[in-house]
Amino acid sequence: EIVLTQSPGTLSLSPGERATLSCRASQSVSSNYLAWYQQKPGQAPRLLIYVASSRATGIPDRFSGSGSGTDFTLTISRLEPEDFAVYYCQQYGSSPAPGYSFGQGTKLEIK
Amino acid sequence: QVTLKESGPALVKPTQTLTLTCTFSGFSLRTSGMRVSWIRQPPGKALEWLARIDWDDDKFYSTSLKTRLTISKDTSKNQVVLTMTNVDPVDTATYYCARTAVSLFDIWGQGTMVTVSS
Repeated sequence: EIVLTQSPGTLSLSPGERATLSCRASQSVSSNYLAWYQQKPGQAPRLLIYVASSRATGIPDRFSGSGSGTDFTLTISRLEPEDFAVYYCQQYGSSPAPGYSFGQGTKLEIK
Repeated sequence: QVTLKESGPALVKPTQTLTLTCTFSGFSLRTSGMRVSWIRQPPGKALEWLARIDWDDDKFYSTSLKTRLTISKDTSKNQVVLTMTNVDPVDTATYYCARTAVSLFDIWGQGTMVTVSS
């Protein structure tokens, strides 16, 4: 099973700043099947990015994803107040059987 | 509009079997390519994928939990059911169901909190 490690654990920034979140996989993620989710307190996760760099429907263009192989990044270009939340990366692998794993999360907090 | 909603007991005793139901609308598990997964999140902790069922009744499970899980569907009721046997306090979590598109979870239910305690 692929283990995803996110860094930093907590990121303290101010609105208007740029946020860079990292997700590192223990082995290469097949077909760049790497997604990012945003979760606010008391809410279900929301899909932001899939296949490493494609934005989900309705996601603002200040959110962008990049990377391949084992190193992936979620960037929020200019933080809005509603962006402060916990972010998770998630990978999918199909061998030997379909399976999914999540990172431990990065908490983005207001400085 | 696609929606999913989880239901089940809020409290179960250790060693009991937990049964959760996901009722969805806006899509059908008779349609080729449709899938539904269960994912859980212990309080203050990360997400963990549990199981997936596909339109063709293929079923896939988390390696670490596969001996305790069973996933099934009732297409006439638009429901997916997850059973977990021999629950333990470490199974205390919010349980989510989510529509699954091969590699991702695009629409999630609101989640249902389950506490395992005697």
